[in-house]
Amino acid sequence: DAGVIQSPRHEVTEMGQEVTLRCKPISGHNSLFWYRQTMMRGLELLIYFNNNVPIDDSGMPEDRFSAKMPNASFSTLKIQPSEPRDSAVYFCASSAPSAGDPYNEQFFGPGTRLTVL
Amino acid sequence: GQQVMQIPQYQHVQEGEDFTTYCNSSTTLSNIQWYKQRPGGHPVFLIQLVKSGEVKKQKRLTFQFGEAKKNSSLHITATQTTDVGTYFCAGPNGRNYQLIWGAGTKLIIKP
Repeated sequence: DAGVIQSPRHEVTEMGQEVTLRCKPISGHNSLFWYRQTMMRGLELLIYFNNNVPIDDSGMPEDRFSAKMPNASFSTLKIQPSEPRDSAVYFCASSAPSAGDPYNEQFFGPGTRLTVL
Repeated sequence: GQQVMQIPQYQHVQEGEDFTTYCNSSTTLSNIQWYKQRPGGHPVFLIQLVKSGEVKKQKRLTFQFGEAKKNSSLHITATQTTDVGTYFCAGPNGRNYQLIWGAGTKLIIKP
């Protein structure tokens, strides 16, 4: 299995530009998570999807951030317009919770390192 | 709201010394998970503890879950350079399939 795939791995953009991060979860996993990691704030959950439906987006910083999951194999996180304080590593993770183990381990992608100048 | 506190934030050790990180929850947890993130890498699942008082070992790593299921620890015996990284604990938030993450403990090997 290829694991969780994220693209791009690195993104450098200028303030005000739109940024789109992409994620392909592990096949068969029905839960998908977007996280942001910075030195100052640590690992923050932005949004969580279950069966392609957003369940909790309370971690999304503001309206500039949006996320979609059009199907079970693809999700995007968009920032428009981007700001320097959005600079961080963005991780996508997937898991396969079951009735017997609703909190199965999360498998993280390699992350996208975003720099907004 | 529910919180998971993890200490210390950093621990500097000489290679060969032991390392311990502690995790405390404000509420009783149904389970707790531990992850390791190497420098420049992504979090990788290590283990899940479910039972009260549970102790599990993975080679030089010993994981414990408290009797009250509100605290947990990870102990590494005789650290090696391959142990360098940040260790995170995470517990369920009780409402859905999300995890509440500790801030992580960074293990640094002194040169």
